[in-house]
Amino acid sequence: DAGVIQSPRHEVTEMGQEVTLRCKPISGHNSLFWYRQTMMRGLELLIYFNNNVPIDDSGMPEDRFSAKMPNASFSTLKIQPSEPRDSAVYFCASSRDRGRWDYTFGSGTRLTVV
Amino acid sequence: DQQVKQNSPSLSVQEGRISILNCDYTNSMFDYFLWYKKYPAEGPTFLISISSIKDKNEDGRFTVFLNKSAKHLSLHIVPSQPGDSAVYFCAASETGTASKLTFGTGTRLQVTL
Repeated sequence: DAGVIQSPRHEVTEMGQEVTLRCKPISGHNSLFWYRQTMMRGLELLIYFNNNVPIDDSGMPEDRFSAKMPNASFSTLKIQPSEPRDSAVYFCASSRDRGRWDYTFGSGTRLTVV
Repeated sequence: DQQVKQNSPSLSVQEGRISILNCDYTNSMFDYFLWYKKYPAEGPTFLISISSIKDKNEDGRFTVFLNKSAKHLSLHIVPSQPGDSAVYFCAASETGTASKLTFGTGTRLQVTL
């Protein structure tokens, strides 16, 4: 099992540009989560999907952030336009069943907006 | 508003000694607690968990203690090993919120030789 795969590993972009982060969950996992890690706030849940349907997006900071899960094997997190304060590490995680908390995290995407 | 707090950003312990990582929470509705471990350039990995109906859960060298009245939990690692050097995140969930976890800011543990 390849685990949760995120791409790119690193992204450096200029303020105002669109950024798209990608995630492939573990096959058979039906819950997918996007988290953001910062020094000040730790790991914050942005949004999560169950069976490809967004269940809770209350953590999405602004309308500049959007996430999609068009099928069970792919999800994207898009920031448009990006701002320097969006710089963080973004993690995707998946789990087998709703209500299970032993997530499997990807290795993260380190985003730097200059 | 940080509902899960890890007030010690870092901790250094000698190999073989006990490491104690602390976590406080403010939401009395939290009823399930977890610890995750994170190495550099990797995602967090699940370590150990505890339900609010228990006050202790043990798994090998790792033990989690829960004090509900104080809204406090701690992770004990005995004996500490150099491979335990990592960032440890405390997380909590409440019934009815499905798989939603609220994480703390993490504590960096350094186990020295």
